[in-house]
Amino acid sequence: DSGVTQTPKHLITATGQRVTLRCSPRSGDLSVYWYQQSLDQGLQFLIQYYNGEERAKGNILERFSAQQFPDLHSELNLSSLELGDSALYFCASSLQAQNTEAFFGQGTRLTVV
Amino acid sequence: AQKVTQAQTEISVVEKEDVTLDCVYETRDTTYYLFWYKQPPSGELVFLIRRNSFDEQNEISGRYSWNFQKSTSSFNFTITASQVVDSAVYFCALSDRAMDSNYQLIWGAGTKLIIKP
Repeated sequence: DSGVTQTPKHLITATGQRVTLRCSPRSGDLSVYWYQQSLDQGLQFLIQYYNGEERAKGNILERFSAQQFPDLHSELNLSSLELGDSALYFCASSLQAQNTEAFFGQGTRLTVV
Repeated sequence: AQKVTQAQTEISVVEKEDVTLDCVYETRDTTYYLFWYKQPPSGELVFLIRRNSFDEQNEISGRYSWNFQKSTSSFNFTITASQVVDSAVYFCALSDRAMDSNYQLIWGAGTKLIIKP
């Protein structure tokens, strides 16, 4: 058990809808990272938050947004969903702002139909 | 730009054979970190090892061993006496400061390892 908790584990929704994925980091970790794993793109970094502030941005679509709350949990919001957004979404956390050691949650499998 | 190459898309061996998964990386940074993760069929990403660029000592953990060679920019992973439970996709990743001075993980495409009984 990595100590990173993601909910829900599975999500099925229709195109055009909006969903929220939730992540609780390991106790004491200040950084949260979101990754997308799709069949055609592999594992891609989306965004990082550190102690409530956005720290780094990767290949995140404008339809997607995230935030980190004062209790350090994070949410990834995906809107106007398309079939191509179907993927496994991972959250990771680390103590520092620099991702030199990251532990991953079990992922949320999103299926857009 | 940084890059991680896992040239072996899929490897299939019979149980008890040794198997080596290759990882070649590119970076211009002198300080970087290399990782291996295992993704079993259940989907989670399991951390296996982290190596920093200043530590070229090879590491052994049970049946797992890692060979880090800066001269060839490689960080290969060997499983000795493989078992069916080792069947998974294995990812090599690099973390350096190339992206706006933040360390971020750059992933290889993964190697699917199939261990046949």
